[in-house]
Amino acid sequence: DVKVTQSSRYLVKRTGEKVFLECVQDMDHENMFWYRQDPGLGLRLIYFSYDVKMKEKGDIPEGYSVSREKKERFSLILESASTNQTSMYLCASSPPNQPQHFGDGTRLSIL
Amino acid sequence: KQEVTQIPAALSVPEGENLVLNCSFTDSAIYNLQWFRQDPGKGLTSLLLIQSSQREQTSGRLNASLDKSSGRSTLYIAASQPGDSATYLCAVEQYGNKLVFGAGTILRVKS
Repeated sequence: DVKVTQSSRYLVKRTGEKVFLECVQDMDHENMFWYRQDPGLGLRLIYFSYDVKMKEKGDIPEGYSVSREKKERFSLILESASTNQTSMYLCASSPPNQPQHFGDGTRLSIL
Repeated sequence: KQEVTQIPAALSVPEGENLVLNCSFTDSAIYNLQWFRQDPGKGLTSLLLIQSSQREQTSGRLNASLDKSSGRSTLYIAASQPGDSATYLCAVEQYGNKLVFGAGTILRVKS
């Protein structure tokens, strides 16, 4: 069974901090994705990656960056956290042109 | 830009009732459409995936239809149960394995 693991379920950080959200998948999937989910807005794509060291911007990349140094790990970085980045963050992975598998999410609060 | 809309935003029904959730999308150039279930504080579980060339998919008490030309999909749940209570999300897949999500329908089935 595919497992997508997000390192933290809940995280509280302060404004201006650099925040790292980690995602690991165990199925050797090429594609990995980061979304944020807000009430009334659904999931919105932040960044995605088709391979190691490759990254592409999604619909809302401002204020975020990503890192994919190894195939199984995709990190989302908030360079200087702000209160409007308080949200639920979901990671997903998939083989090319196959359905995405999601992690359980990280609920991030920025105070 | 693709937009996905789900109606209703919330629904409360008595146990045993049959129900329909609606999803519409603005751009018919999609590869497939997926329905997901999300339990509170959890990630997404894929329920049904309909390829763009298909008209419907069934799994147990769930049936999803797709009318690509009109930009509509419905998720039919037969004989609803309290365990069906969750948020149901519709997503269309576009070029590059990217998903565009609706905001979801919050379903509550009362016993």
